[in-house]
Amino acid sequence: DTAVSQTPKYLVTQMGNDKSIKCEQNLGHDTMYWYKQDSKKFLKIMFSYNNKELIINETVPNRFSPKSPDKAHLNLHINSLELGDSAVYFCASSQGGGPRGETQYFGPGTRLLVL
Amino acid sequence: DQQVKQNSPSLSVQEGRISILNCDYTNSMFDYFLWYKKYPAEGPTFLISISSIKDKNEDGRFTVFLNKSAKHLSLHIVPSQPGDSAVYFCAASVTNFGNEKLTFGTGTRLTIIP
Repeated sequence: DTAVSQTPKYLVTQMGNDKSIKCEQNLGHDTMYWYKQDSKKFLKIMFSYNNKELIINETVPNRFSPKSPDKAHLNLHINSLELGDSAVYFCASSQGGGPRGETQYFGPGTRLLVL
Repeated sequence: DQQVKQNSPSLSVQEGRISILNCDYTNSMFDYFLWYKKYPAEGPTFLISISSIKDKNEDGRFTVFLNKSAKHLSLHIVPSQPGDSAVYFCAASVTNFGNEKLTFGTGTRLTIIP
């Protein structure tokens, strides 16, 4: 009954590989997000999708490609992984569409280590 | 250019006393503010929020105060309990019909001393 879930929880891979992280929410929310927490513990937005449509893309290298097959899922595919991609990636969701600020709910995170 | 700042990386408080966590922001367009709590190896958990039309919001032991003129908000936890030990992140957003991006501070690690 987890609200926002991510798989895998840990991911260790070699430089140059391609990997995907999956996110699912069962809250019925319209908007989903990807955030990156770097080694300095700084959480920063990467993308947001509203009803499968890309809304926010924050100067992320095009090696990162989000894909939303439906509004309950937002996957993150990373091509040609680099050492600097090592971080914790968090998925989040919010109700969306309202006239005011919305609370976002986060998944448990995926810890990516690129060797 | 960090728009949301938490200048205290850590804070220790005796159990039962009040914990006060502070957050400053520079972007005057921010109109919605949130506090998240994070345990190790878990995602941030929403704690409490406040809209810029208010200056105080209370939920049980947690109260958030907003001072728009000073661009400052604070989270008060009283009484503090051992389970409150965690990293607390302040976040802010500009209302955009549900498509907001949260801008986070760097967090404050709160340790409650039994």
